[in-house]
Amino acid sequence: QKEVEQDPGPLSVPEGAIVSLNCTYSNSAFQYFMWYRQYSRKGPELLMYTYSSGNKEDGRFTAQVDKSSKYISLFIRDSQPSDSATYLCAIKGTSYGKLTFGQGTILTVHP
Amino acid sequence: NAGVTQTPKFQVLKTGQSMTLQCAQDMNHNSMYWYRQDPGMGLRLIYYSASEGTTDKGEVPNGYNVSRLNKREFSLRLESAAPSQTSVYFCASSPVTSGRYNEQFFGPGTRLTVL
Repeated sequence: QKEVEQDPGPLSVPEGAIVSLNCTYSNSAFQYFMWYRQYSRKGPELLMYTYSSGNKEDGRFTAQVDKSSKYISLFIRDSQPSDSATYLCAIKGTSYGKLTFGQGTILTVHP
Repeated sequence: NAGVTQTPKFQVLKTGQSMTLQCAQDMNHNSMYWYRQDPGMGLRLIYYSASEGTTDKGEVPNGYNVSRLNKREFSLRLESAAPSQTSVYFCASSPVTSGRYNEQFFGPGTRLTVL
């Protein structure tokens, strides 16, 4: 079993839709939870992070963590074509600096 | 600041050839990483260097070697390339932090094809 599982999609939605991206993880020692966004042929960039259960909001983006269920989500409201990218969840445990990434979900928002 | 730079951007090798992927960062970060990205597999850690002078194996180190040349530079070497090493390779760096999420900053990637 992979430490982090993410539905690879692809996911295609119309502009303005609410998008939900999800990951599950197996190791309860994981402490920090991140979402990276990767545009085509570019390196990933950090979008959001959180370290506790609950919600964290940043503009149209909301990151949600449920440690009891080992489940993390990213919600995108009023999705835009510029949101089209691959979204990767990443989780940091106790090992220094090391991140464990999900497989990535390819999102396309069409006008 | 250029951030994290990688050379080359593209490379085609024949099976058995060797090559070195170069990575440099100008953010004064202590930690550096090499990942490979394959379709449906996400990013997998090959090697990392927590600080200058140290290197450690990641999830998929077989067939690779690394050198932390100095604080800025971290290279990845393929001694005898195999088709299974066809992938996109990303270098990343992060500052020294403990107990924090430790954001990693990624380079633009090197697309490697081994024939």
